[in-house]
Amino acid sequence: GAGVSQSPRYKVAKRGQDVALRCDPISGHVSLFWYQQALGQGPEFLTYFQNEAQLDKSGLPSDRFFAERPEGSVSTLKIQRTQQEDSAVYLCASSSGFVRETEQFFGPGTRLTVL
Amino acid sequence: LAKTTQPISMDSYEGQEVNITCSHNNIATNDYITWYQQFPSQGPRFIIQGYKTKVTNEVASLFIPADRKSSTLSLPRVSLSDTAVYYCLVGDRSGGGADGLTFGKGTHLIIQP
Repeated sequence: GAGVSQSPRYKVAKRGQDVALRCDPISGHVSLFWYQQALGQGPEFLTYFQNEAQLDKSGLPSDRFFAERPEGSVSTLKIQRTQQEDSAVYLCASSSGFVRETEQFFGPGTRLTVL
Repeated sequence: LAKTTQPISMDSYEGQEVNITCSHNNIATNDYITWYQQFPSQGPRFIIQGYKTKVTNEVASLFIPADRKSSTLSLPRVSLSDTAVYYCLVGDRSGGGADGLTFGKGTHLIIQP
């Protein structure tokens, strides 16, 4: 596709449920990022992949969060035993370069609501 | 990471030029200045990036004084569709081992008719 796509766009989960959020980056982009955006705040970095390698996961808020990109293209962010504080928009971004300041292209995000 | 400070909100009118200033007093030698725009229910979108003096593209201009401790994003002749949140980011693009972009709260720009 022409841009970064994410699915689902909206997800409602009951507290304690597991969720999986998908990101399809721009074809050929080696770098992939996940961000969490709370209401009224700027996006906050969660994790970074270079191809299939997860090089930085320092932003993941707890061990309930993990991400994978097994073939270096599509990525999945999984949240186990969801809590109300996990409610946020989860953004995926990809870029063609290897350094942070290479322009990042963002998807529309997945809005997660935990009841 | 250099910390940035920008106004929380700004108002203007259609057809006006809008300037949003960002302060980054502890910017490092290798740091670039980048601006992103975000509309509701969308991800941020890259607008412009610069290192010093002036950069211009089809969307905006970025003015950076000699000391680089601040920068100004200039949007010419704004329209209602420019209503969005604008983020100023400062960071090093020279190295590898990338981590994510560091966003602040941004400036909520509201354009009125």
